[in-house]
Amino acid sequence: DVKVTQSSRYLVKRTGEKVFLECVQDMDHENMFWYRQDPGLGLRLIYFSYDVKMKEKGDIPEGYSVSREKKERFSLILESASTNQTSMYLCASTSNSVDGYTFGSGTRLTVV
Amino acid sequence: QKEVEQNSGPLSVPEGAIASLNCTYSDRGSQSFFWYRQYSGKSPELIMSIYSNGDKEDGRFTAQLNKASQYVSLLIRDSQPSDSATYLCAVDSGAGSYQLTFGKGTKLSVIP
Repeated sequence: DVKVTQSSRYLVKRTGEKVFLECVQDMDHENMFWYRQDPGLGLRLIYFSYDVKMKEKGDIPEGYSVSREKKERFSLILESASTNQTSMYLCASTSNSVDGYTFGSGTRLTVV
Repeated sequence: QKEVEQNSGPLSVPEGAIASLNCTYSDRGSQSFFWYRQYSGKSPELIMSIYSNGDKEDGRFTAQLNKASQYVSLLIRDSQPSDSATYLCAVDSGAGSYQLTFGKGTKLSVIP
């Protein structure tokens, strides 16, 4: 069974901390994405990557960065966490434009 | 800005009835269309994809696409309480694009 694994289901961090959210997929997918999901705002794209070492900004990249050193791993970094980054973070991957995404189970991050 | 619009609901239907979920999109270049189901507190799960005008059936689910009207719908026949969830419509950004734009979702409640 194909899998996208997000390392943490729940995280609580303090304002100003540097936060790492990890995502690993075992499907050999080239394309990986980070979204955040908030009530009333839906899913919003933060960053995406189509290849190792490659990254592109999505619709809301401010306050975030990413790292893709290996094909299977795509990390989201909150450089200095703020309370407005409290959200559900979803990682997804796909191999092409017709199969849709496979999502990880999500990380619910609370910044206090 | 590409847009995908859905009625937020909640849409309430009695058990055994047909639930009809609708979605419109703004980008005429979009070619791949997806429906995801998301249970409360869980990540989205792909349930249907459609690429050509017309209907596509899979069990109790039927996806309908009308590219001229920029309209996608999902019908759920013989609705069950287990179908109660938020349904997300997702649309690609055109030929060869791996990015999906999501609607904010329609919350469906199936009443026993």
